[in-house]
Amino acid sequence: EVQLVESGGGLVQPGGSLRLSCAASGFTFSSYEMNWVRQAPGKGLEWVSYISSSGSTIYYADSVKGRFTISRDNAKNSLYLQMNSLRAEDTAVYYCARVDVDSSGHHCIDYWGQGTLVTVSS
Amino acid sequence: EIVMTQSPATLSVSPGERATLSCRASQSVSSNLAWYQQKPGQAPRLLIYGASTRATGIPARFSGSGSGTEFTLTISSLQSEDFAVYYCQLGPYTFGQGTKLEIK
Repeated sequence: EVQLVESGGGLVQPGGSLRLSCAASGFTFSSYEMNWVRQAPGKGLEWVSYISSSGSTIYYADSVKGRFTISRDNAKNSLYLQMNSLRAEDTAVYYCARVDVDSSGHHCIDYWGQGTLVTVSS
Repeated sequence: EIVMTQSPATLSVSPGERATLSCRASQSVSSNLAWYQQKPGQAPRLLIYGASTRATGIPARFSGSGSGTEFTLTISSLQSEDFAVYYCQLGPYTFGQGTKLEIK
């Protein structure tokens, strides 16, 4: 059974830092691209960051570029999101998500974690 | 940056009727388009990928169509469990803002 379990969320002051982790199990983690997706309270889904299976290709949403860093440790089956210079507008549930690619090159998110809440407030 | 725009923001439909949700891309995305359903307090669930392929376990009443810049998610006969928020997504990246499907 595929499982994605996020941790590391909590309350942090504006300008502070937080590191999210995602523990993956039930699949060959090193073979899959991964995403972080967030959802502010009462709002829609927002893609945050993408990392390829090897970690060699990384993309960020403009809203977090230069402040957030995605990484992975395939030996530990883990995905990370280092968040610096946090702002109130970064308050959201952060989801770890597995990206699947079909034979035609179509991407989608086929598994999601339960999410971890990050609250940025003084 | 490609922008995904969903319409309408809210759709009111009676159970048993058909619902049609739209997603438009600001430039062509070929067929690299997925649809998700999200219920309150839950993570999203994949419904459709490649614009028209149903994900595993998704009922046949859900169908997707379109390519290029215009896409549609159709729910042929609404069941009570289908009332939720629906999102389209370009590849593994940008999401639309969502359509809330509510009971009329």
